[in-house]
Amino acid sequence: GAVVSQHPSRVICKSGTSVKIECRSLDFQATTMFWYRQFPKQSLMLMATSNEGSKATYEQGVEKDKFLINHASLTLSTLTVTSAHPEDSSFYICSASPRWASGASTQETQYFGPGTRLLVL
Amino acid sequence: AQKITQTQPGMFVQEKEAVTLDCTYDTSDPSYGLFWYKQPSSGEMIFLIYQGSYDQQNATEGRYSLNFQKARKSANLVISASQLGDSAMYFCAMREGLEYGNKLVFGAGTILRVKS
Repeated sequence: GAVVSQHPSRVICKSGTSVKIECRSLDFQATTMFWYRQFPKQSLMLMATSNEGSKATYEQGVEKDKFLINHASLTLSTLTVTSAHPEDSSFYICSASPRWASGASTQETQYFGPGTRLLVL
Repeated sequence: AQKITQTQPGMFVQEKEAVTLDCTYDTSDPSYGLFWYKQPSSGEMIFLIYQGSYDQQNATEGRYSLNFQKARKSANLVISASQLGDSAMYFCAMREGLEYGNKLVFGAGTILRVKS
């Protein structure tokens, strides 16, 4: 159980176009989903936290208009990179937090998707 | 201040030997959780082990054990009997109290290479 999928796994696009990445929790309802960005050989950087039915909370320095996040249902969140540029090329990972992961004392926290490699030419 | 510090950018270990990956953390919250993840070259994040701040005993999961020293605020990962497939990036992460939601804060990571 607790499987999270991401689509697409890889995407190459031209500069100036928009790219949408989907994150789905396949066998559980996710009250919260997280979007991370990771550059090669670096750590995961949290971009935003999204709760179903409400606006995403962005981390400092992350452009809201650039990275649009929609969490339309308890099993789906999308990240749209608008007007992508080569510097947006990165590995984007989502994670989903199930309803029952509500306490800091539990190991249940976030289940990660397999990631999406974005290359902007 | 860094909440999670991993001071070893890279480590080598001989196959079948044990290796310790260091992690120190900083929090004033009495309730927190510590995690270790493995990230192979494919990019997937693989959960390895968890230690809660109130857990009395060190966590163990197969060949993985967590050396939790609360007073020193350290949570080192010990991998016993290293295998070639253990070569990967390893991240230490922390989740603090409920007011932080389920956010995880990650360390910079340690690249582990297992030599045959």
